[in-house]
Amino acid sequence: QSALTQPPSASGSPGQSVTISCTGTSSDVGGYNYVSWYQQHPGKAPKLMIYEVSKRPSGVPDRFSASKSGNTASLTVSGLQAEDEADYYCSSYAGSNTRVFGTGTKVTVL
Amino acid sequence: EVQLVESGGGLVQPGGSLRLSCAASGFTFGSYWMSWVRQAPGKGLEWVANIKQDGSEKYYVDSVKGRLTISRDNAKNSLYLQMNSLRAEDTAVYYCARGSGWYPWDAFDIWGQGTMVTVSS
Repeated sequence: QSALTQPPSASGSPGQSVTISCTGTSSDVGGYNYVSWYQQHPGKAPKLMIYEVSKRPSGVPDRFSASKSGNTASLTVSGLQAEDEADYYCSSYAGSNTRVFGTGTKVTVL
Repeated sequence: EVQLVESGGGLVQPGGSLRLSCAASGFTFGSYWMSWVRQAPGKGLEWVANIKQDGSEKYYVDSVKGRLTISRDNAKNSLYLQMNSLRAEDTAVYYCARGSGWYPWDAFDIWGQGTMVTVSS
């Protein structure tokens, strides 16, 4: 039940793209197509942005996209906007009906 | 409106107990897996526990096994977390979260606003 590894920070200018990685093991990220991504603004509850590796819930802009290769999942935010500045967390099913989150990445819009 | 509202947080001494509640509204509570997720001050999210629709299955992160107990009352549309033998490292905002579908691996699509638990003497 070790946390998934994310870079502590990422940044980009408005209009640019930023990609966040999420590295786990074959027991979580690599073993299941149940990776999700959450956006959290300071003092707020997390918000679901991506589920089942690359699917976007209704209402999430298509600027948010995601994928997975082996034990690493990735979230890309294209056309960065000021409101995208937040913390982002990945999460994966880890087998035996348990879940694990990533360490979190703070995205800064320069 | 689909909503989760937590309550019951507060200041408790090490070794003490606390019971958190999460009131659900706007959806058929008994049709979803539910989870507790916590966030220590300035830290990341940590999944704590989940419970099946009918309460027959419960799973926990290793660090809370034997001390924290998840339960639910579908008649009251409520989720609970009984917290015993509390430690300083349990200090966190505790969120209840709904799994988006029928399965334990479904993403968390609805979150409460969180309730703060502080363990300190």
